[in-house]
Amino acid sequence: GAGVSQSPSNKVTEKGKDVELRCDPISGHTALYWYRQSLGQGLEFLIYFQGNSAPDKSGLPSDRFSAERTGGSVSTLTIQRTQQEDSAVYLCASSQSGTGLYGYTFGSGTRLTVV
Amino acid sequence: TQLLEQSPQFLSIQEGENLTVYCNSSSVFSSLQWYRQEPGEGPVLLVTVVTGGEVKKLKRLTFQFGDARKDSSLHITAAQPGDTGLYLCAGDGTGKLIFGQGTELSVKP
Repeated sequence: GAGVSQSPSNKVTEKGKDVELRCDPISGHTALYWYRQSLGQGLEFLIYFQGNSAPDKSGLPSDRFSAERTGGSVSTLTIQRTQQEDSAVYLCASSQSGTGLYGYTFGSGTRLTVV
Repeated sequence: TQLLEQSPQFLSIQEGENLTVYCNSSSVFSSLQWYRQEPGEGPVLLVTVVTGGEVKKLKRLTFQFGDARKDSSLHITAAQPGDTGLYLCAGDGTGKLIFGQGTELSVKP
């Protein structure tokens, strides 16, 4: 596609429920990233996929968070047993390579609210 | 752990004023990028700097990478209301970008 597409754009869920967030990157981009952003703050790295390599999961805050990338394209971030502190905007980005030199193209994010 | 510190965190100025945003680290980065983010949208890449001492200009915006590649600055000349937004610096850290906490800029007409 022309840009990075994320769905849903907004999600309100009850504490304890599981949620799935979807990211459709730019076609041909080998690298895909998930970040989390609290209100007006910088971006917190969560997880990074590069081609067929094992993902870099070093930013996942707990074992309630997991992500997969199917067929080197679409990615899903899953949060199990959501907590109120999980409320944030979840941003997905893709890049031509994993070096950072080409810059990231971000989606518009999914605003998650846990009530 | 690589960290990027941005200053100031908030900046409110009048149209026509000049401003500088700083991005500092104790770590060396192979490249550094600046992004601008508007409410409800993802960050959009403004520039990438790679070489120590490099200066890049984008209309009224001037970006500089420190000689030691540990810091960067963004200077805006004659700010306009359309420059309002969250400015983020990001350093290339082992395969993923490390972001600063951002500078929230408000330019009032």
